[in-house]
Amino acid sequence: DVKVTQSSRYLVKRTGEKVFLECVQDMDHENMFWYRQDPGLGLRLIYFSYDVKMKEKGDIPEGYSVSREKKERFSLILESASTNQTSMYLCASSPLDRSTQYFGPGTRLTVL
Amino acid sequence: AQSVTQPDIHITVSEGASLELRCNYSYGATPYLFWYVQSPGQGLQLLLKYFSGDTLVQGIKGFEAEFKRSQSSFNLRKPSVHWSDAAEYFCAVGAANAGKSTFGDGTTLTVKP
Repeated sequence: DVKVTQSSRYLVKRTGEKVFLECVQDMDHENMFWYRQDPGLGLRLIYFSYDVKMKEKGDIPEGYSVSREKKERFSLILESASTNQTSMYLCASSPLDRSTQYFGPGTRLTVL
Repeated sequence: AQSVTQPDIHITVSEGASLELRCNYSYGATPYLFWYVQSPGQGLQLLLKYFSGDTLVQGIKGFEAEFKRSQSSFNLRKPSVHWSDAAEYFCAVGAANAGKSTFGDGTTLTVKP
């Protein structure tokens, strides 16, 4: 089975802190994605990556950056966390044909 | 641009009753369509997907969905709901070479005993 793991299930940070969310997949998938999920807004794509060192902006990239130095790992970075970035963050990966996405359990981030 | 509408924010059904969750999409070409389920505190799990061929698609946990091009719909059905089906359900649309999917806002299913 495909496994996508996220470094933390719950995270509490203060405004202005730099925050790293890590995601690792074990199926050698080329594509990886970061979403945020908010009540009533569904899933919104922040960034995605087709390959190592490659990234593309999604629908809401402002305030975020990403890093993909190794194929299995995709990091989401909040350079200076703000309270409006309090949310559930979901990581996903998919194989080269870009079909089914496999999701991690999510990280619930609270910014105080 | 592609989009997905799930008209029902919340649905309540009795255990054993049938279920239909609606999904309408907007996409210029033949879409890839997905239904995912999210249990509380968990990530999303794929229930089923449609790429081409037979428009009635069978998935896991006894779910099925039917692609109707004329109605731009991909509704999810289950003939008899179990209490463990209580969750949030997301419909998504993607394309073969677009690399990303667009998700609906989700429908929360409550199952009454």
